Amino acid sequence: DAGVTQSPTHLIKTRGQQVTLRCSPKSGHDTVSWYQQALGQGPQFIFQYYEEEERQRGNFPDRFSGHQFPNYSSELNVNALLLGDSALYLCASSWTGTEAYGYTFGSGTRLTVV
Amino acid sequence: QKEVEQDPGPLSVPEGAIVSLNCTYSNSAFQYFMWYRQYSRKGPELLMYTYSSGNKEDGRFTAQVDKSSKYISLFIRDSQPSDSATYLCAMSDDYGQNFVFGPGTRLSVLP
Repeated sequence: DAGVTQSPTHLIKTRGQQVTLRCSPKSGHDTVSWYQQALGQGPQFIFQYYEEEERQRGNFPDRFSGHQFPNYSSELNVNALLLGDSALYLCASSWTGTEAYGYTFGSGTRLTVV
Repeated sequence: QKEVEQDPGPLSVPEGAIVSLNCTYSNSAFQYFMWYRQYSRKGPELLMYTYSSGNKEDGRFTAQVDKSSKYISLFIRDSQPSDSATYLCAMSDDYGQNFVFGPGTRLSVLP
């Protein structure tokens, strides 16, 4: 049973560029959450998608946007990249109504902005 | 004050030692308390969770929650080199709408 799959694993972008990260949830999960984890820090909640709609959002600017597809997979888009956007981006999937301990995390996409 | 604070690391202990990892928090609405282990270049992996106050044991791991003090702990007995990782505490309210991580403690267990 495949867990959460994220692509790509690593990415290098230039300031001002745009990036798209992808996530396939664990089989049977319908909710996807995205997190940003800076070096030496804990994951910070970006937003959560359910039924193709953004259900909840953390304290991130509008440069961060997302999408969920009918097959529950999701994308995270970041526009006008800043050096401070360099981080590990984690996707977590769950079944709606599951408590937070039921989240399954992917291995993340390491984004470096130069 | 940050919502969740975790004892500063990094920690380096000899194999077989007992390790104590701790977090404090400020939001009294938190009811679920989780501990995650994160290996380098990997996502967080759930170790244990506890609901409300109390203790929970799973093999070499024991989680303790003291809601009156807003303080949680994870104890690792007979630590092994394979336990070397970053440990993240996390907590959420009853509806999972407020799910917050601590900054993590990096643990090294030396053979």
